[in-house]
Amino acid sequence: EVQLVESGGGLVQPGGSLRLSCAASGFTFSSYWMHWVRQAPGKGLVWVSRINSDGSSTTYADSVKGRFTISRDNAKNTLYLQMNSLRAEDTAVYYCARRNDILTAPDYWGQGILVTVSS
Amino acid sequence: SYELTQPPSVSVSPGQTARITCSGDALPKQFAYWYQQKPGQAPVLVIYKDSERPSGIPERFSGSSSGTTVTLTISGVQAEDEADYYCQSADSSGTYVFGTGTKVTVL
Repeated sequence: EVQLVESGGGLVQPGGSLRLSCAASGFTFSSYWMHWVRQAPGKGLVWVSRINSDGSSTTYADSVKGRFTISRDNAKNTLYLQMNSLRAEDTAVYYCARRNDILTAPDYWGQGILVTVSS
Repeated sequence: SYELTQPPSVSVSPGQTARITCSGDALPKQFAYWYQQKPGQAPVLVIYKDSERPSGIPERFSGSSSGTTVTLTISGVQAEDEADYYCQSADSSGTYVFGTGTKVTVL
């Protein structure tokens, strides 16, 4: 069974940093591109970033470029999102998602982890 | 930045047909995808590559494309279809984008 479990969320002050993790199981993690998507409370989905299967290529939304870094450790079956210079508008539930090569879209999603940026 | 525009809400009676549109300039050149999201849950992919249905998704869900607009159609709407629906595509640089979202209410 495919499972994606996010961790590392919580309350952080504006300007602070946080690192999210997404532990993957039930599939060959190193073969899949992965994404981070976020959703502010009561708002819509917003794509954040993606990384290719070996970690050599990354893409970011303009709103997080230069502040967030996506990475992965294929030996540990884990995806990361390092978030620096956090702002109140980064408050959201963050989802990791697996991209299916055939569907060419995220097909499995984690349950999400809440990040709150507030003083 | 690239935007995908959806109507905020659609209301439909059980058994009727719901149509949700998504408009974006790059849609003639990029595939569109549709996700269903129920409260407190992660999104679920219901349509990929404009009109393909993943395994396990009911046949009442279908997708179509025409020019700068893609449409998700739910035929014979059931109470369990009440949810938020999001289209998703990408721009030429590979940056993904989600639509503004549509809340489907089953009357």
